[in-house]
Amino acid sequence: GENVEQHPSTLSVQEGDSAVIKCTYSDSASNYFPWYKQELGKRPQLIIDIRSNVGEKKDQRIAVTLNKTAKHFSLHITETQPEDSAVYFCAASWTNFGNEKLTFGTGTRLTIIP
Amino acid sequence: NAGVTQTPKFRILKIGQSMTLQCTQDMNHNYMYWYRQDPGMGLKLIYYSVGAGITDKGEVPNGYNVSRSTTEDFPLRLELAAPSQTSVYFCASSRRTGGYNSPLHFGNGTRLTVT
Repeated sequence: GENVEQHPSTLSVQEGDSAVIKCTYSDSASNYFPWYKQELGKRPQLIIDIRSNVGEKKDQRIAVTLNKTAKHFSLHITETQPEDSAVYFCAASWTNFGNEKLTFGTGTRLTIIP
Repeated sequence: NAGVTQTPKFRILKIGQSMTLQCTQDMNHNYMYWYRQDPGMGLKLIYYSVGAGITDKGEVPNGYNVSRSTTEDFPLRLELAAPSQTSVYFCASSRRTGGYNSPLHFGNGTRLTVT
C-alpha cells in the first residue's frame, strides 16, 4: 500500500516568514494530494489539494508543488500569520477509489512566532 | 446545514466496557469514514462505508464494528474496550460521483480514554 512520509514534525517560523512542509509518497499510481490543517482541539479541514496533472497550485498565501518523478509534494505558506499555527497533514491517494485509499502523513506542528 | 455531527465529545471507559460513538451527516454524502488519531500520529482509517448497507474494513479495524442502515448515520461500536483504544476518533464523509471524490468533511471528534 501507499506510504506517506512528512517532514519536519515540528517547525517554528517568525511571523511574516515563509514555511515549507515536505511529503514523499511511495505509490506511483497516487494522483491526488490534499493538505489538511488541524487547529488545536479542532477537526482537520482541507486547505488545498492538487492532482497529478498539474505541478503547482496556489490559493492566496498557500501553494502546493508536486514532483511526480521524485514522488514528493510540498506545502508553501508565505507571509505567515499567527493564525497559521496548527498541525498540517499531507495525504495521498488514487482517485480510482474513494477517499478510503487516502493515506495520511504523521503531521507537522507549525508554530508562528510573533 | 450542520455537516458531520459526532457525539459524545468526551468519554471515559473502563477496560472491558463497550460503547457506541455516534456520527450523522446532513450533506447527503454517500461515503462515510471512521478515523482514529493517536498523539503525534496521522489519521488511521478504521472502517468506511460507500453507501447504506455497505461497510468495509480500513487499516485498523480490530476491536471495532460499524453499521450503516441509513445514508445519514454511521455509528462506531467498541466492544470490550482496551487501553490501546484511547484516542481521538473522527467521523468523516465525502461524496463520490462519476469518479470524482469530494474532500473529506470531518466531525469535531470524540476524545476517548480507556482506563
